[in-house]
Amino acid sequence: GAVVSQHPSWVICKSGTSVKIECRSLDFQATTMFWYRQFPKQSLMLMATSNEGSKATYEQGVEKDKFLINHASLTLSTLTVTSAHPEDSSFYICSAFGGSMDTQYFGPGTRLTVL
Amino acid sequence: KQEVTQIPAALSVPEGENLVLNCSFTDSAIYNLQWFRQDPGKGLTSLLLIQSSQREQTSGRLNASLDKSSGRSTLYIAASQPGDSATYLCAVMEFQGAQKLVFGQGTRLTINP
Repeated sequence: GAVVSQHPSWVICKSGTSVKIECRSLDFQATTMFWYRQFPKQSLMLMATSNEGSKATYEQGVEKDKFLINHASLTLSTLTVTSAHPEDSSFYICSAFGGSMDTQYFGPGTRLTVL
Repeated sequence: KQEVTQIPAALSVPEGENLVLNCSFTDSAIYNLQWFRQDPGKGLTSLLLIQSSQREQTSGRLNASLDKSSGRSTLYIAASQPGDSATYLCAVMEFQGAQKLVFGQGTRLTINP
């Protein structure tokens, strides 16, 4: 139980385009989902906390107009990277809080490459 | 502000050895502590979760201990195997309902055949 999926697993896009990443909790309802960014050989950096039905809370230094987060249901949150540029290339991981334990369950990640 | 530190940053050992990974946190008032494993290009896999009232948790060859008063946790891996090669992350949840995790920088472990 407590499985989180992400789609797509990898994406390559041209500079200036927008990319949407989906995060789904498959077998539990998640009132809160988290979005992380990870650079090579570094730990996870929390970007934002997303609560179902309300606006996301962004960490300091994260551009909310650049990284749009929508949490429209208890099982789905989306991250849209708007007007992507090469510096946005990274590994994006989502997690969902819920399930049977007081913890976050992590998705498999999405590798974004912006050319 | 809670800070989590993991030592060493990287570790390379021959197969079969027992090893210990260390995690320390600055504020002892935590709700739980969790150890994760991350393989290259993959998401996080939870290994062990220790509640603040617990001293240790075991799963197979893994044993995690927690000394909340001193702000330390260790992950003990017995009889290491090449398949154990990965990055190991520890993370703390500061209080019940916090939901946020504070992560350490991880230890990159390589087990040499």
